[in-house]
Amino acid sequence: ETGVTQSPTHLIKTRGQQVTLRCSSQSGHNTVSWYQQALGQGPQFIFQYYREEENGRGNFPPRFSGLQFPNYSSELNVNALELDDSALYLCASSFPGLALTDTQYFGPGTRLTVL
Amino acid sequence: DAKTTQPPSMDCAEGRAANLPCNHSTISGNEYVYWYRQIHSQGPQYIIHGLKNNETNEMASLIITEDRKSSTLILPHATLRDTAVYYCIVRAQGGSEKLVFGKGTKLTVNP
Repeated sequence: ETGVTQSPTHLIKTRGQQVTLRCSSQSGHNTVSWYQQALGQGPQFIFQYYREEENGRGNFPPRFSGLQFPNYSSELNVNALELDDSALYLCASSFPGLALTDTQYFGPGTRLTVL
Repeated sequence: DAKTTQPPSMDCAEGRAANLPCNHSTISGNEYVYWYRQIHSQGPQYIIHGLKNNETNEMASLIITEDRKSSTLILPHATLRDTAVYYCIVRAQGGSEKLVFGKGTKLTVNP
């Protein structure tokens, strides 16, 4: 069974640029959730994708957007980067609908630094 | 906002049991208690979850009080590799239920 993977591991961008982060879900999972974790804080929910549709969103502006593909992998896009976007970006996959397997499993994260 | 309250830090001696408390006095009947841990900026690792019965797996035990207003995560024989931030989260099962993280408990296991 393959776990959740994310790429790239680290990324450095400058203010105003755009970035795309990628996530491959765990085998058999059809739902991907994205979280942002600022230094010293717990992860904050950005949004969730289920069967290629956005299925819930946290308190993040529209410049944070995402996609989910037919193979259930996902992308997080952030436009017009700001210094405060510097954070660890985490994705988690799950398979809601079956009580025993609704648990979200996290990838290792992508560390984004905005200069 | 997180619906749980945890002590900011705890220490434990290697080889001893680590007991991490969590208060969730406003938990609803359909909400589960989940525990995750995060080791030094890695992705959070799922540990265990439960509804009202005590649960045990290969990593830990979860003890939930009868009124479900608090719980304790028990690591029976802590090792140095258990040093991490431990998050207690209450969450309804299924659907688009997000995880709402608080600040967690920083557990330090000492030699």
